[in-house]
Amino acid sequence: GEDVEQSLFLSVREGDSSVINCTYTDSSSTYLYWYKQEPGAGLQLLTYIFSNMDMKQDQRLTVLLNKKDKHLSLRIADTQTGDSAIYFCAESSGSARQLTFGSGTQLTVLP
Amino acid sequence: DAGVIQSPRHEVTEMGQEVTLRCKPISGHDYLFWYRQTMMRGLELLIYFNNNVPIDDSGMPEDRFSAKMPNASFSTLKIQPSEPRDSAVYFCASSFLGDTQYFGPGTRLTVL
Repeated sequence: GEDVEQSLFLSVREGDSSVINCTYTDSSSTYLYWYKQEPGAGLQLLTYIFSNMDMKQDQRLTVLLNKKDKHLSLRIADTQTGDSAIYFCAESSGSARQLTFGSGTQLTVLP
Repeated sequence: DAGVIQSPRHEVTEMGQEVTLRCKPISGHDYLFWYRQTMMRGLELLIYFNNNVPIDDSGMPEDRFSAKMPNASFSTLKIQPSEPRDSAVYFCASSFLGDTQYFGPGTRLTVL
């Protein structure tokens, strides 16, 4: 079955780059997503990448996809305190693009 | 656009009581999803609808859980009777033609 894995915690200094990694198992995944969850809030879509791409950049966010290794990463440039949150990687499959989420990575940005 | 709307935002109830969670998807979206988030199990898909029809309910934990979508703008998730292990945050999400899912703010359920 599908499985998505992420490391649980990441701490960075304000102004540094953050890299959050994710591995998945379903080779038929069509889209891979990154969602952000702030305390007490819902999931906010950050970005996504289609499986035939290997990179996507959106302002401070860069997504890298290694389809051979089933590895996805999210790089946040110039990380700010407002970036502190839990970041979820998700793979999609099926006609409804059902999502399978990783456990989430708690990003802490230190001043 | 109002986004996905969920109510109530917080619910505290006692074991054995019936709980009803509500969701209004984004207008025009034809898919609706219910998820549960717990510390132990993370985010789990419970059930999803397409054009108001339940398509996959394999994630519904047991018969105490039921979901309905009487029309395109409203869905409910009901737990009867509720148990302390049902305590979680329940999210509703919607999408158009299976495209990107947009999530509501969630309902935090506490069963005492």
